[in-house]
Parts: sequence; structure tokens; C-alpha cells
Amino acid sequence: GAGVSQTPSNKVTEKGKYVELRCDPISGHTALYWYRQSLGQGPEFLIYFQGTGAADDSGLPNDRFFAVRPEGSVSTLKIQRTERGDSAVYLCASSLLDRPLNTGELFFGEGSRLTVL
Amino acid sequence: GESVGLHLPTLSVQEGDNSIINCAYSNSASDYFIWYKQESGKGPQFIIDIRSNMDKRQGQRVTVLLNKTVKHLSLQIAATQPGDSAVYFCAENSGGSNYKLTFGKGTLLTVNP
Repeated sequence: GAGVSQTPSNKVTEKGKYVELRCDPISGHTALYWYRQSLGQGPEFLIYFQGTGAADDSGLPNDRFFAVRPEGSVSTLKIQRTERGDSAVYLCASSLLDRPLNTGELFFGEGSRLTVL
Repeated sequence: GESVGLHLPTLSVQEGDNSIINCAYSNSASDYFIWYKQESGKGPQFIIDIRSNMDKRQGQRVTVLLNKTVKHLSLQIAATQPGDSAVYFCAENSGGSNYKLTFGKGTLLTVNP
């Protein structure tokens, strides 16, 4: 596609439910990132994939959060037993190079807004 | 812990004026900095970047200044236009990371016609 695509754009769920958020990166981009943005804050790093493997998942807040990228393209962020504090915009980004921060070539999607009631 | 922060959470300017958005960072190991623009309902969009071996970099209508001595970063927008209205974030490569960014809190820029 032309850009990073994220679905759903909005998700409202009840406390305790399971949620999946999907990211479709730019075609051919090998690196994929998930960030979380709370209201009025800057994005916070969650996890970084290089190909199919999670190279760094140090930003995942706890074991209720998990992300996969089985074929090295689409990624799914999974949240179990959602809590009200999980409410945020979940941003996905992708890059062609494995070291994008040298070039700034990191492209963000529009995010999935999660609201936990 | 160390983090990137912003001095001014909101900035309101008149169309045609120049805008200056400031940012302080505290992680001395960071050596690459990026400014992002985020419009309502959209993801962050790259504006301009600068490496720590530079103190100034210019783009189209934008200039980034880096003062490593006081760990300060600024974004200057010339002849600000209504389309520049957005939240602006500075970000640093977390302690020199080649993939992880630490974002500041953001400054809301409002351009009045």
C-alpha cells in the first residue's frame, strides 16, 4: 500500500476483554515498530521487529501485551484482559532500512484508538 | 529517569510570523534528534532531523538548532501558515539507539489567520 495501514481505527471494549490491533506496513519494509500514545503525551516505544522476530520488546508494559509478525509483514498487537489504563492510541511504524534512525525514514500509520470502558 | 521534554506546551502565532518551538533533552548519550508534526487523528510525520555533530540544519521553511552544551533543541518555522497548526514533538534516539525513539510531550502550535 501507499502507507502504513492500521485497523481498526477505533476500538471500544470492556474491561477484561481481549483485543487485537493490526498493522500493515509499507510493502518491502523489513522493520516494524509499535508505539503507544496516551492523551496529551508523546508516543512511547513498545516493540521493534526486524523481519519476523521481535528484536526488542522491552517497552511492552506487562505480560498482557504481546505482538507477532509471523511472515515478516503484517503485525498484530494483542492485549489480554484489557484495563482502563490501556486506553490510548496505538501507533505502528515501518522502515525500509534496518537502521532507520540514521535517515529519519520511519513512517507512522494513523493509529488505532483503543478505549477500554 | 532521563527524558526529552518541552518548555512550552502551547504556542499561538499569527499567519506569516516565524515560530520557534523548544525542547530540552537530558540523555547525553543520544546523538540523533528528529522533529515530528502530528495533526489531529494522524500519526507523526517526519519534518527534519539533525545529528549531534551538527548544530544547525535547514529544510524548506524549517530550521533545527542543536545546542549540546545545554542539551537544547529548537525548531524554527518561517512564515508560519495555517496548515502548520499541529502538535510538534521532538524525539531523540534513546541513548544512542539505532531504532528506538524517546519522544517529548509535544507543543501545540496554533496559527491564527
